[in-house]
Amino acid sequence: GAVVSQHPSRVICKSGTSVKIECRSLDFQATTMFWYRQFPKQSLMLMATSNEGSKATYEQGVEKDKFLINHASLTLSTLTVTSAHPEDSSFYICSALRTSGGAYTGELFFGEGSRLTVL
Amino acid sequence: GIQVEQSPPDLILQEGANSTLRCNFSDSVNNLQWFHQNPWGQLINLFYIPSGTKQNGRLSATTVATERYSLLYISSSQTTDSGVYFCAVAGANSKLTFGKGITLSVRP
Repeated sequence: GAVVSQHPSRVICKSGTSVKIECRSLDFQATTMFWYRQFPKQSLMLMATSNEGSKATYEQGVEKDKFLINHASLTLSTLTVTSAHPEDSSFYICSALRTSGGAYTGELFFGEGSRLTVL
Repeated sequence: GIQVEQSPPDLILQEGANSTLRCNFSDSVNNLQWFHQNPWGQLINLFYIPSGTKQNGRLSATTVATERYSLLYISSSQTTDSGVYFCAVAGANSKLTFGKGITLSVRP
């Protein structure tokens, strides 16, 4: 199956610092990626849609200045949590919409996730 | 947006038993996927099944799009099947909406 790699898998930072999480599609080009957030024992909530070469679109209630998304290439999207606070501690997971021959297959593949702990 | 309901919320099985996990959704969908989330949080793709029936080893899935539900069957369950199973659906915008998940515990 398609491979999506996410890095780092775990990060601990001090309150007020910024953290960058990378999401890469390893064996296909992904013009569209999605970022999700998951709190303990809860479901995944969509945060934003990342589009290569254009601005991300954010879901209602997600602060775009807090969660900066950049999708500078067809295989890489980054999520930067700016001025992180303890309430930003969560599991962040990216996904990529798989393409085949330039067309969307419709199936999404997920990275391994990044567990952020803000002290 | 599309609503997704999964049932039952929790399921406890004895090793070797069979089980059926259900996913109901509120609108027509272009995408439906079943995932298994392992203890480390990674989502493992089980099935991409907006309609029809698929089988992969001990697992199979059926989606009846006209009646807006999907079923995941696990046969001869093993302890390694334990974890959370998510159903997720998307309309034309490809944005997956997840159900709350089903926590499966398989006891030896």
